[in-house]
Amino acid sequence: ETGVTQSPTHLIKTRGQQVTLRCSSQSGHNTVSWYQQALGQGPQFIFQYYREEENGRGNFPPRFSGLQFPNYSSELNVNALELDDSALYLCASIRTGSGELFFGEGSRLTVL
Amino acid sequence: QQQVKQSPQSLIVQKGGISIINCAYENTAFDYFPWYQQFPGKGPALLIAIRPDVSEKKEGRFTISFNKSAKQFSLHIMDSQPGDSATYFCAARSGGGNEKLTFGTGTRLTIIP
Repeated sequence: ETGVTQSPTHLIKTRGQQVTLRCSSQSGHNTVSWYQQALGQGPQFIFQYYREEENGRGNFPPRFSGLQFPNYSSELNVNALELDDSALYLCASIRTGSGELFFGEGSRLTVL
Repeated sequence: QQQVKQSPQSLIVQKGGISIINCAYENTAFDYFPWYQQFPGKGPALLIAIRPDVSEKKEGRFTISFNKSAKQFSLHIMDSQPGDSATYFCAARSGGGNEKLTFGTGTRLTIIP
């Protein structure tokens, strides 16, 4: 067990809708990052938050946004969903400076 | 320059054999190289990791070999077991205080009796 929990585990949306995915990190881990994993691919970095501020972003459009809260929880929001957004979304809790990412089991999003 | 190339895409090894997965990178700023194991329906789990100032790291049946000059690293699984059947990802951290990982494309490992 990694101590990182994500919700919901599965969800189905239609194109154009908006979605919010949630993550609860390990206590004391000030850094959280989000990854998108398409079927059969490696995870792709979306962005990273440190002490509630975004401090790193991958090659994803602005309709992907996030929030980190003081209680070690975070959110990933995706607006104007597209079919290609269908993927497993992974939250990773990080003990800052260690390089060790602890992943949750992910939220599988299907966009129809 | 940010890519991490992983091979093979799939691998079948007999029980008790050695499984070897290879990765190569271009960005010399990468400062940390972990391997992750992922089972179907689960998130990736950290298996073993190495820093570029070390050429080899062993933990139980798992060994990372690191060749800094060639910009290559590999995972060796000794005495492979059916429970090792999973997808394995190599990754590299960007460094400079950034925890971002760049992942390889994965290797699906199957251990047969």
